[in-house]
Amino acid sequence: DAKTTQPNSMESNEEEPVHLPCNHSTISGTDYIHWYRQLPSQGPEYVIHGLTSNVNNRMASLAIAEDRKSSTLILHRATLRDAAVYYCIPTPNSGGSNYKLTFGKGTLLTVNP
Amino acid sequence: NAGVMQNPRHLVRRRGQEARLRCSPMKGHSHVYWYRQLPEEGLKFMVYLQKENIIDESGMPKERFSAEFPKEGPSILRIQQVVRGDSAAYFCASSPGPFSYNEQFFGPGTRLTVL
Repeated sequence: DAKTTQPNSMESNEEEPVHLPCNHSTISGTDYIHWYRQLPSQGPEYVIHGLTSNVNNRMASLAIAEDRKSSTLILHRATLRDAAVYYCIPTPNSGGSNYKLTFGKGTLLTVNP
Repeated sequence: NAGVMQNPRHLVRRRGQEARLRCSPMKGHSHVYWYRQLPEEGLKFMVYLQKENIIDESGMPKERFSAEFPKEGPSILRIQQVVRGDSAAYFCASSPGPFSYNEQFFGPGTRLTVL
């Protein structure tokens, strides 16, 4: 599995954009990059995923570096509800265990009102 | 469409008792995964099941733990003779397919406390 490095914590103000970085320099050429988040006392929640191109959905945007060794999750306008631990998870696109999500320590995002 | 349901949400057991955790996947999902989150640690994969089959139990302790996903009814994670170290949050997830591009939908978890 590709190793990931994320900041332990980040802080943002409400209504401002947040850029959450993730380094995954050992990623395989065919691994997807998934982002999940876990709100306090809840189960993880899917945020977004991508392979090579930048991706947008209603929750966030995912910017993937051209060499795929890093990616950035972008929350365009943080709300108090976005306070959570964010996990960056490279996931094999093939092979026997491509269903297995490997959660690291993630980034704890605090949103100030 | 109801999400993944888990019950009970909180479970207290004394050492040596059995714990049964239930998971009902989202409608139409036949792939179920169990993860465990020990205090102050990240989530760890335990087991992956399809209907009536265990596909991968590589993350599950060899002794005392078992999982099933019968043709009818919820998936069950069973822990026999619980010990204090089993205290954790247990999360179930489901997906429509097993591949990496499939989003996994997680339930709210069962928080097990062993006294």
